[in-house]
Amino acid sequence: GENVEQHPSTLSVQEGDSAVIKCTYSDSASNYFPWYKQELGKGPQLIIDIRSNVGEKKDQRIAVTLNKTAKHFSLHITETQPEDSAVYFCAPRGADGLTFGKGTHLIIQP
Amino acid sequence: GAGVSQSPSNKVTEKGKDVELRCDPISGHTALYWYRQSLGQGLEFLIYFQGNSAPDKSGLPSDRFSAERTGGSVSTLTIQRTQQEDSAVYLCASSPAAGYGYTFGSGTRLTVV
Repeated sequence: GENVEQHPSTLSVQEGDSAVIKCTYSDSASNYFPWYKQELGKGPQLIIDIRSNVGEKKDQRIAVTLNKTAKHFSLHITETQPEDSAVYFCAPRGADGLTFGKGTHLIIQP
Repeated sequence: GAGVSQSPSNKVTEKGKDVELRCDPISGHTALYWYRQSLGQGLEFLIYFQGNSAPDKSGLPSDRFSAERTGGSVSTLTIQRTQQEDSAVYLCASSPAAGYGYTFGSGTRLTVV
C-alpha cells in the first residue's frame, strides 16, 4: 500500500506570512494529489488538487506544487489569515485509492 | 441533497450496546467511504463501496463492525457490542468516481460510556 508522510505535524506562522506543508508518498503510480482542510467539528473539505501531468496549480492564495520524480507535493498558502487555522491533510491517490496523511495543524498567530 | 448528510451528529451509548450510523451520499455519487477519526488523529479507512461491486472491507478493525449500502445510495455502519475504544468521529464521504473528489459529511461523534 501507499506510505504517506506529511510535515510538519504542527506549523505556527504570523498572520500575513506564508505557510508550506509537504507530503511525500511511495507509490510511483499515484496520479492525483489533493489537499483537504478540516476545521473544528467539521469533515475535511477539498481545497485544491493536481493531476500528475501538471507541475503547479494556483487558486487565489493557495497553490499546490508536484515533484513526481522525488514523489512529493506541497501546499502553499500566502498572506495567511485567521480563517486559515485548521488541520490540513494530503491524500495521494495510488492503486488502493486515496491514502490520507496524518495531518498538519496550522496555527495563524495574530 | 447538496452535500453528504450523516446522522446522528452525536451519539452516546453504553458499553456493550449496538449502534447504527447513517450516511446519505450526494445523489449520483457511485463511491462511498467510511473513515474513523480519533481525537486529534488522522483518518483511518474502514470500508469502501463502489457501485454494485463487493465492498472493500479491508479497514474494518474487528468483526463487530459491519456496513451495508442499500440501492447504491444510503449506507449504514453498524458497531455491535460497543467498546470504549470505539469512541471517535465516524466520517462518511462520497465521490462521483473512485478515488477522486471526495465530499465528506460532518461526521457522527460516538461516545461509549
